[in-house]
Amino acid sequence: DAGVIQSPRHEVTEMGQEVTLRCKPISGHDYLFWYRQTMMRGLELLIYFNNNVPIDDSGMPEDRFSAKMPNASFSTLKIQPSEPRDSAVYFCASRGADRGIQYFGAGTRLSVL
Amino acid sequence: GIQVEQSPPDLILQEGANSTLRCNFSDSVNNLQWFHQNPWGQLINLFYIPSGTKQNGRLSATTVATERYSLLYISSSQTTDSGVYFCAVEDFGNEKLTFGTGTRLTIIP
Repeated sequence: DAGVIQSPRHEVTEMGQEVTLRCKPISGHDYLFWYRQTMMRGLELLIYFNNNVPIDDSGMPEDRFSAKMPNASFSTLKIQPSEPRDSAVYFCASRGADRGIQYFGAGTRLSVL
Repeated sequence: GIQVEQSPPDLILQEGANSTLRCNFSDSVNNLQWFHQNPWGQLINLFYIPSGTKQNGRLSATTVATERYSLLYISSSQTTDSGVYFCAVEDFGNEKLTFGTGTRLTIIP
């Protein structure tokens, strides 16, 4: 398997624009997680899905953030409108149903100007 | 929620030295992972170790679940070991990882 695949790797946008981050989990994994990494807050969970259903979105910072998982092989994290404080590295991770290892994608580095 | 503390926050060593990184957590866990974040930002799984001891080459890890800590040992350090090492835990009743603040390791040639 190619691992967790995220796109784009880098995104530079202007304040107010819509940003969509994409993630393809490892085939067969039931759980998908979105994390954000910043200098101030470290690595924090935003939302996670089990079998395509959102389970816990308490980490989503505000209504400007939304996430979807329309099928088992694809998820998106959308920010609309984006703000400079959203600049961070966003990671997607997946794992199987047996509470094993979480595997992380390479991340998307977002810069909002 | 569960608290995860890592020490030391920073560590600078000469190539060839050994090091021990520590992770303390505030509650019982059913998942503990060690990650290495390399200078390019990638998070690499090192160990899945909710309890016991594991070894992988120059790296080994031990988790003493009853005492709520885990140790990561790096022997004969190489410059490629530089980066930030994170401990992350998943407590019972939860399915998400909580990360520590990391240990930044710098290996000097």
